[in-house]
Amino acid sequence: EAGVTQFPSHSVIEKGQTVTLRCDPISGHDNLYWYRRVMGKEIKFLLHFVKESKQDESGMPNNRFLAERTGGTYSTLKVQPAELEDSGVYFCASSQDVGPQHFGDGTRLSIL
Amino acid sequence: GENVEQHPSTLSVQEGDSAVIKCTYSDSASNYFPWYKQELGKGPQLIIDIRSNVGEKKDQRIAVTLNKTAKHFSLHITETQPEDSAVYFCATNRWGAQKLVFGQGTRLTINP
Repeated sequence: EAGVTQFPSHSVIEKGQTVTLRCDPISGHDNLYWYRRVMGKEIKFLLHFVKESKQDESGMPNNRFLAERTGGTYSTLKVQPAELEDSGVYFCASSQDVGPQHFGDGTRLSIL
Repeated sequence: GENVEQHPSTLSVQEGDSAVIKCTYSDSASNYFPWYKQELGKGPQLIIDIRSNVGEKKDQRIAVTLNKTAKHFSLHITETQPEDSAVYFCATNRWGAQKLVFGQGTRLTINP
């Protein structure tokens, strides 16, 4: 069984540009989560999808971040326009029902 | 809001010795306590978890203990091996809210 996959693994962009991160959850997992780790700090929750619906988006930092999960399969997280403080590692996780969350290897985002 | 304090931030032990990492949480409604291991360049991997109705759980060399009264839980690794070197994260969530709240992480180094 394939795990959670994220693309790209690394992205380097300039301040003001747009970046889109993609996450493919484990097949059959209705729950999909986005987290990020900034500057070596703790991993922080961004939002939670159940199928295509946003169940909890309390962790989204501001309206420059847009997450979508059309069709309830893969998800994208767009940052527009990117700011310096958005640099960090963005993780996606998925789970079945209220089961354990399985994480992808993350996208390392660098804003110059 | 919810807060998880994790200690120590770094831990160095001799191969074969035991390692203990402790987390304290603030939300009395927390009922799920996973531990994740993150190796360089990889995402967090679930290594063991415990629910609030259980005080201790073991899986080979790894164990987790939970003290609900004191609101802390600990990861115990016995007979440590070089491949145990990694960053370890504790996390919690509460019933009805699946977002995980993470500790700051512990960098564990096993010295041969």
